[in-house]
Amino acid sequence: AQSVTQLGSHVSVSEGALVLLRCNYSSSVPPYLFWYVQYPNQGLQLLLKYTSAATLVKGINGFEAEFKKSETSFHLTKPSAHMSDAAEYFCAVRGGSGGSEKLVFGKGTKLTVNP
Amino acid sequence: EPEVTQTPSHQVTQMGQEVILRCVPISNHLYFYWYRQILGQKVEFLVSFYNNEISEKSEIFDDQFSVERPDGSNFTLKIRSTKLEDSAMYFCASSGPISGTSSTDTQYFGPGTRLTVL
Repeated sequence: AQSVTQLGSHVSVSEGALVLLRCNYSSSVPPYLFWYVQYPNQGLQLLLKYTSAATLVKGINGFEAEFKKSETSFHLTKPSAHMSDAAEYFCAVRGGSGGSEKLVFGKGTKLTVNP
Repeated sequence: EPEVTQTPSHQVTQMGQEVILRCVPISNHLYFYWYRQILGQKVEFLVSFYNNEISEKSEIFDDQFSVERPDGSNFTLKIRSTKLEDSAMYFCASSGPISGTSSTDTQYFGPGTRLTVL
């Protein structure tokens, strides 16, 4: 079984500051991990994914995440926040190759970017 | 860029009525999914569908729910007799393979249908 915990339902940063959104996972099998972003009144857009290749994954819009097996973490970072980054971010896990296809999502973190 | 589309964007219905939510997955995708998000809660898996049959379903997906791929492009979710607690945003998703790859790991989501049950 898989589960995801996102620490902090709301994160607020200043424009230009570091963005750090935390995600810890639990999985009984080697996981695939994903970050999705949801802008207001829109669907879920894939930011990046980890599928057992490189542990540091780069995604769209300058975001990246590092898979740390020892810490069961997959935190999302961006060096410098833009106003356009304001959205809700969801971490998700599924079983790896040959595992269940279903995505298990965290509760989401709403990011606010202040001018 | 190919995308998943969903109709309608908003559906209002009376309790006990049947609703059908429609999705057009990305062309050439073979795996299809429905998820829902009750307001203020996490996105939850409902069902996955492959090769014209359900491959996995959650405990939420009871006898009131059904899915169908009636033709080569549409994928539908039917709720037979809606309840107040069915009010949620329903997301359709699809995944590969896409030509030249065998990747099924990335699920692409549609914009959602907001279902309101009165």
